[in-house]
Amino acid sequence: AQTVTQSQPEMSVQEAETVTLSCTYDTSESDYYLFWYKQPPSRQMILVIRQEAYKQQNATENRFSVNFQKAAKSFSLKISDSQLGDAAMYFCAYRSGSGNTGKLIFGQGTTLQVKP
Amino acid sequence: EAQVTQNPRYLITVTGKKLTVTCSQNMNHEYMSWYRQDPGLGLRQIYYSMNVEVTDKGDVPEGYKVSRKEKRNFPLILESPSPNQTSLYFCASTALGTGPNTEAFFGQGTRLTVV
Repeated sequence: AQTVTQSQPEMSVQEAETVTLSCTYDTSESDYYLFWYKQPPSRQMILVIRQEAYKQQNATENRFSVNFQKAAKSFSLKISDSQLGDAAMYFCAYRSGSGNTGKLIFGQGTTLQVKP
Repeated sequence: EAQVTQNPRYLITVTGKKLTVTCSQNMNHEYMSWYRQDPGLGLRQIYYSMNVEVTDKGDVPEGYKVSRKEKRNFPLILESPSPNQTSLYFCASTALGTGPNTEAFFGQGTRLTVV
């Protein structure tokens, strides 16, 4: 069975600085997707970034980028130029690439505090 | 606008009183699922549905029921709620297949308290 682990329950960063959130996963599949979701106090689940396992290039979305290390099964999220609005809980998630399931397997979450 | 509508957002109930949380999606997605979110555990799948009349257990199904009579609706039923079902619940909808258009869409969440 696949598992996702986020070992940092809480992180903090100074506004305008850079922070990296860690995520590791375990799977025997070769085809899969990885995601980072943001959950602000409104509780809404917001997709931040997505990575297809077959792509070697790391995904980037504006100030958000990932460091995808397939062999090490690591998928960290880097937030550059942190803003107060980035304060939220962040979840790493895994989905099989088989195409016949929409199940997401989540990590435990990391709460990010942004200090002004 | 593509969306998943989940109601209610907040619910306080007493032990043993049956309740239903509704979920509806407007994207014609085949796959729908329910998750519960608990501190330190992340989100865990309760039940899922691959299509109309096709449902199956997820990782934490005990104490829950679901139905899928129409493609757009996927209600979560707690027939006899207990305090250990106090949690934050999310409905999610996903298109099956591969490619960039298969991201999950989430409802707004339901904060359930069972006293």
